Amino acid sequence: GENVEQHPSTLSVQEGDSAVIKCTYSDSASNYFPWYKQELGKRPQLIIDIRSNVGEKKDQRIAVTLNKTAKHFSLHITETQPEDSAVYFCAAGERNKFYFGSGTKLNVKP
Amino acid sequence: ETGVTQSPTHLIKTRGQQVTLRCSSQSGHNTVSWYQQALGQGPQFIFQYYREEENGRGNFPPRFSGLQFPNYSSELNVNALELDDSALYLCASSNSGRGITDTQYFGPGTRLTVL
Repeated sequence: GENVEQHPSTLSVQEGDSAVIKCTYSDSASNYFPWYKQELGKRPQLIIDIRSNVGEKKDQRIAVTLNKTAKHFSLHITETQPEDSAVYFCAAGERNKFYFGSGTKLNVKP
Repeated sequence: ETGVTQSPTHLIKTRGQQVTLRCSSQSGHNTVSWYQQALGQGPQFIFQYYREEENGRGNFPPRFSGLQFPNYSSELNVNALELDDSALYLCASSNSGRGITDTQYFGPGTRLTVL
């Protein structure tokens, strides 16, 4: 099956700085790559996704890049705010069978 | 918030017991996937149901089983509970057909504690 590795496991940034989280995957059949944000005690919420026919996607302060050849994808958050503090998960898969990374705990210091 | 609901919110069981967790998918969605999320880890794929049939399974033993009903709601059943089954169980719904990858929306989860 798919193996998704995510790093770093923890990331601490100053408010206003950028944050980058990176993931790699193993199965070349994976064609969909969502990112979820999970606050303590809450459900994972989709923040952005990208499909394999696209190299980059942006939504306001959030962007995702995908390199299919290298099998890695990254989440970029610019102008971080304290409310961005949460655990972020990447996932990779196809046909709705997704495999998640182990998560990155982002702490944005005011 | 999504329209995906789960019940119960919390559950405490003892080793060897059986448990049933329930999920109501978002209106218009025909696919439900179940995940196990241990503390401090990412969700792990258990299986997926599409139009009442199992449509893929992760690396979980047969004592994890499921059902999907005509209204697309779903159940996760776990037999012979073990201590390691303690986790947050998440369901996610989507609207898809076989071979189509679509966005999944998660429910709030059921926190299962096995003593």
